[in-house]
Formats: sequence, structure tokens, C-alpha cells
Amino acid sequence: DVKVTQSSRYLVKRTGEKVFLECVQDMDHENMFWYRQDPGLGLRLIYFSYDVKMKEKGDIPEGYSVSREKKERFSLILESASTNQTSMYLCASSFSTVGSGEKLFFGSGTQLSVL
Amino acid sequence: DQQVKQNSPSLSVQEGRISILNCDYTNSMFDYFLWYKKYPAEGPTFLISISSIKDKNEDGRFTVFLNKSAKHLSLHIVPSQPGDSAVYFCAASNTGTASKLTFGTGTRLQVTL
Repeated sequence: DVKVTQSSRYLVKRTGEKVFLECVQDMDHENMFWYRQDPGLGLRLIYFSYDVKMKEKGDIPEGYSVSREKKERFSLILESASTNQTSMYLCASSFSTVGSGEKLFFGSGTQLSVL
Repeated sequence: DQQVKQNSPSLSVQEGRISILNCDYTNSMFDYFLWYKKYPAEGPTFLISISSIKDKNEDGRFTVFLNKSAKHLSLHIVPSQPGDSAVYFCAASNTGTASKLTFGTGTRLQVTL
């Protein structure tokens, strides 16, 4: 079974802090994604990566950055956390299958509260 | 600009009856569609998918229907079971370009006894 592991289940941070959310997948997937889930808004894509050291902006990248130094690890960085970044953050991975259907495998999520 | 919409935030169905969850999309370039199920405190898990070359796909109790002309898809669960109570997200992608999925806002299904 594919396993996508997010380092923290719950995280509480203060406004202005730098926050790192870590994600590791064990299936040698090329693609990795960061989404956030908010009530009434569904899942929105923040950033994604098709390969090591590659990154592309999703639909809501403002206030976030990412790092992918190794294929299995994808980090989401909040440079200066703000209260509107309080959310459930979900990491996902998938094989590279451009031209056919893509299936994402998700981690359990990190509930981040910014006070 | 919500390209994938689930207009019903919640749905309550009795055990044994049919659950029908609906999803509409606006981007005509989408050609692959998926449904995910999410329990509280867990990540979404893949349920069923359909390519735009088909109009129906079945997997056990779950069937997805696609109406391309209406840009509408639906998920049918028959018969509904209490363990089906979860939030269901539909998602869409354009397989010719980026592999990312665009998700809807979700429908919370509650199956009552």
C-alpha cells in the first residue's frame, strides 16, 4: 500500500512564526502536492512538484513556499504564519501519468492553528 | 472561480436506500473525473473514477455517471450503508496538460439507520 506520511497531526503556532510542514511518500511517486481544506471551500491546491527541485504554483500559493530536495519528501513552508492560514493541510502524491487518469494518494493531514 | 461545484453541502439518506451525490464543472477541457471519500481526521481516499470517453463506470455499490453535454457527473451508492457516512469530493483533471486535480467543495453524506 502507498503510504503518505505527514509529520504532525496537530500543530499550534503563533502569528509571524515560520512553519514547516513535512510530507514523505514511500512509493517512488514523481508528483507531490499540497492542498488545504477549509469548510465550504473544499480542497484547494497550494503548490505541486513533478520532480526533485521542481515546483509549480497551484491556485492559492500566496504566503507559502515549498521545497523538494529529495524525491520522497515535499515540504510546505509558511514564511510568516497568519491567522487566515489556520486550516487542514493535506499532502498527496501520484505517479506521473500525463495523458491518462491520475489518482492521488493522500496523507492523514495536519490541522494547523495559528493564534 | 469554482470550476468544480458540489451544490449540496449535505445529504441525509436512510440505510438501504440510494444516495445520489451531484457535481457540476465548467471547464470543458476536463476529461477525467474522480470521487474521493473523506472520514474525519483522515485524508481523502480514492473511490471511483471515469474517463470522458465513457458515460458510466461501476464498482460494486458505487456507480458514477457522466453527462458531458451538461458538464455534470453524479455518484450513486446503492444500497447505502452507515459506513458510507463521510464527506465526498468530486475532482476533475485535464489529462493532456498538468496532472493536478481540481476538487469540488464536498458533500457530507449521512446514512441513518
